[in-house]
Amino acid sequence: QSALTQPASVSGSPGQSITISCTGTSSDVGGYNFVSWYQQHPGKAPKLMIYDVTNRPSGVSNRFSGSKSGNTASLTISGLQAEDEADYYCSSYTISSTLVFGGGTKLTVL
Amino acid sequence: EVQLLESGGGLVQPGGSLRLSCEASGFTFRNHGMSWVRQAPGKGLEWVSGISGTGGSTYYADSVKGRFTIYRDNSKNTLHLQMNSLRAEDTAVYHCAKDGRTISYFDYWGQGTLVTVSS
Repeated sequence: QSALTQPASVSGSPGQSITISCTGTSSDVGGYNFVSWYQQHPGKAPKLMIYDVTNRPSGVSNRFSGSKSGNTASLTISGLQAEDEADYYCSSYTISSTLVFGGGTKLTVL
Repeated sequence: EVQLLESGGGLVQPGGSLRLSCEASGFTFRNHGMSWVRQAPGKGLEWVSGISGTGGSTYYADSVKGRFTIYRDNSKNTLHLQMNSLRAEDTAVYHCAKDGRTISYFDYWGQGTLVTVSS
């Protein structure tokens, strides 16, 4: 199972919006509405930000939103804040009853 | 409060074995699937294995199938990962994670335990 494709890095200024893409295939992202997104700060455990493509867990800011079109899912962060600087990973359930992550995207807040 | 505490990591030679454990608290353990996710130094996340709440269904990444075994003891709220025939590429921090839905997403993570495979 190949990793999902994410950009290595994205950046934005405080207050701006950014979008991170996550591209898979019809056997994973495109085939199921089971895409999730995680935020990871250095030295910390990942934190769930979005699940089932669009759902936010309790306690996660509504500045974070998810979407999907075909084989590509996206995470949008609006009103960027310094604390959003972190690594972001997407994941998807697959046709093989496994789970695959993206390679990760480093978000820099300028 | 959900807590997941991993243990059992360490230094092991190639070809060796290690058993990881994850003590869970703060939720009804038997009602939830659990997974192991690893992260090699400076690298991204890799899902390793998952197990249903009853333990009756198990799932593995191709990279560990046949070498790793996931199992759980619901009487002790503990998850395990038996790792055999270890390779250098298995070197990583291994996180225990609570499934929000089995093999779909993880709503709580442990801090991880480091496994180093080296001679």
